[in-house]
Amino acid sequence: QKEVEQDPGPLSVPEGAIVSLNCTYSNSAFQYFMWYRQYSRKGPELLMYTYSSGNKEDGRFTAQVDKSSKYISLFIRDSQPSDSATYLCAMSVTGGQNFVFGPGTRLSVLP
Amino acid sequence: NAGVMQNPRHLVRRRGQEARLRCSPMKGHSHVYWYRQLPEEGLKFMVYLQKENIIDESGMPKERFSAEFPKEGPSILRIQQVVRGDSAAYFCASSPQLGSTDTQYFGPGTRLTVL
Repeated sequence: QKEVEQDPGPLSVPEGAIVSLNCTYSNSAFQYFMWYRQYSRKGPELLMYTYSSGNKEDGRFTAQVDKSSKYISLFIRDSQPSDSATYLCAMSVTGGQNFVFGPGTRLSVLP
Repeated sequence: NAGVMQNPRHLVRRRGQEARLRCSPMKGHSHVYWYRQLPEEGLKFMVYLQKENIIDESGMPKERFSAEFPKEGPSILRIQQVVRGDSAAYFCASSPQLGSTDTQYFGPGTRLTVL
């Protein structure tokens, strides 16, 4: 079993839809959870960072962490074609180093 | 303020040659991380460096791979005697301080192709 699992997609949604992206993990010691967006041929860009369980909202993005289920989610409201990218989840025990990344989910938002 | 710079963006090597990948962190950043990304796989942590120090190299293959971050100049990831399996995108990230998870900035990556 991989340490971090993520559905690779591709996930295609119409413009304006609510998108739900998810990751599951096996290491209960993870405490820091991140979501990155990666456009084709570019480096990852940090979108959201949460510590421990709970929700965090930033504009159209909401990150949720459920440590009891070892499950994290990223919701994108009012999705736009410019949101089309690969979304990577990452997690860490100590924060700041030694991140474990999921394989990424490719998202296409169709105009 | 320039972001994290990596060069070259694309590198082609034949089996057995050496590959040198360079990373210049953002201005004011003294911590550098190297990651490898294979097709359909996530980023794999390789090494974490401060100026003149390797802090964590737990993700580095034991042979052929080395990294440095000298007092002056860019961080270098060096792969000796490359093999086809080394073909991947290599990303570096920089942060201003230890444990600064929310400010780790990635470069555009170097795509290494081994023929």
